[in-house]
Amino acid sequence: AQTVTQSQPEMSVQEAETVTLSCTYDTSESDYYLFWYKQPPSRQMILVIRQEAYKQQNATENRFSVNFQKAAKSFSLKISDSQLGDAAMYFCAYRLNYGGSQGNLIFGKGTKLSVKP
Amino acid sequence: NAGVTQTPKFQVLKTGQSMTLQCAQDMNHEYMSWYRQDPGMGLRLIHYSVGAGITDQGEVPNGYNVSRSTTEDFPLRLLSAAPSQTSVYFCASSYDGVWDTQYFGPGTRLTVL
Repeated sequence: AQTVTQSQPEMSVQEAETVTLSCTYDTSESDYYLFWYKQPPSRQMILVIRQEAYKQQNATENRFSVNFQKAAKSFSLKISDSQLGDAAMYFCAYRLNYGGSQGNLIFGKGTKLSVKP
Repeated sequence: NAGVTQTPKFQVLKTGQSMTLQCAQDMNHEYMSWYRQDPGMGLRLIHYSVGAGITDQGEVPNGYNVSRSTTEDFPLRLLSAAPSQTSVYFCASSYDGVWDTQYFGPGTRLTVL
């Protein structure tokens, strides 16, 4: 069974600094997607970034980028120039590139990010 | 475009009561799903649907029932509420559940006394 592990329950970063959140996953599959979701205090789940496993190039979305290491099964999120609005729970998620139940999202337990002014 | 909407936002039930959590989307998405989020846990899949008339179980389906009579709506029914069902419930949808990103509703916080 696939699992997603986020080893950092809480992280803290100074405003304008850079922080990296870790995520590892366990799978025997080769075709899958990886995601980072942000959950602010409003509870809304917001997609931050996604990565297709077949792509070697790391995904980037403005201040957010990932370091995808397929062989190591690692998918870390880097937030540059951190802003107060980045404070939230961040969830790493995995999904097979299949339909049906195998296409459902599997989530890690989350990392709570605090941003200090 | 309202996206994914959920009602109610908050609900308190007594043990043994039943209720329905509503979920609707206006994006013509085929794939819809229900998750629950417990403290210190990520989201866990309860039930999902790949289209109208088709539903299937996820990781934690016991105590919940779903139906999908239209593309837009995917209600989640608690048959006989238990304190273990105290959680935050999220509905999500995507175009086909495989290629497309899932979009989440704002969640329903349910407390069962």
